[in-house]
Amino acid sequence: GAVVSQHPSWVICKSGTSVKIECRSLDFQATTMFWYRQFPKQSLMLMATSNEGSKATYEQGVEKDKFLINHASLTLSTLTVTSAHPEDSSFYICSARGLAGGETQYFGPGTRLLVL
Amino acid sequence: KQEVTQIPAALSVPEGENLVLNCSFTDSAIYNLQWFRQDPGKGLTSLLLIQSSQREQTSGRLNASLDKSSGRSTLYIAASQPGDSATYLCAVPLGSARQLTFGSGTQLTVLP
Repeated sequence: GAVVSQHPSWVICKSGTSVKIECRSLDFQATTMFWYRQFPKQSLMLMATSNEGSKATYEQGVEKDKFLINHASLTLSTLTVTSAHPEDSSFYICSARGLAGGETQYFGPGTRLLVL
Repeated sequence: KQEVTQIPAALSVPEGENLVLNCSFTDSAIYNLQWFRQDPGKGLTSLLLIQSSQREQTSGRLNASLDKSSGRSTLYIAASQPGDSATYLCAVPLGSARQLTFGSGTQLTVLP
């Protein structure tokens, strides 16, 4: 089946630094990628929808200048958390949807971010 | 706005039992409904996808049903095993991009 990878799997950083998370579709072309955030004991909340070659669409309440999303190719989307603060600590999960997957979304393994 | 609810929030059963997880959604105009499994600290694994025109889907010991008119879906797990212990999430897509709205999940523990 379709595989989506994320890198890194976990990261610890100091407050004020920026962190980049990569999401790759390994064996299919992803026309659309999604970024979700999950806090402990909670469900996934959509942050933004990313289409290759165009600007991401952010959900209400998500700061686009803080969470920079780039979808430069059909197999790669990146999420950069700029000037990270402790409240940004969370589990970030991407998913990809493409022609190979049809309606199904395939999820990456997630990236755990801890901001000290 | 679509709201997705899952009941119960947590469930603990002895090994071998059959069980049902419930998912309800407020807007019946859905394209499909997906059930996922999430192990602690991990990403999501897609279990079943039911198209809006379908009533149920089966995969091994899993059977998912969909009743659009009542806004409900159930996930039936037969002969549960300790390896089934995980959080089960249902989700429905919205919009042209099919971004998913998730339920809050049911945390299942199957006791050996």
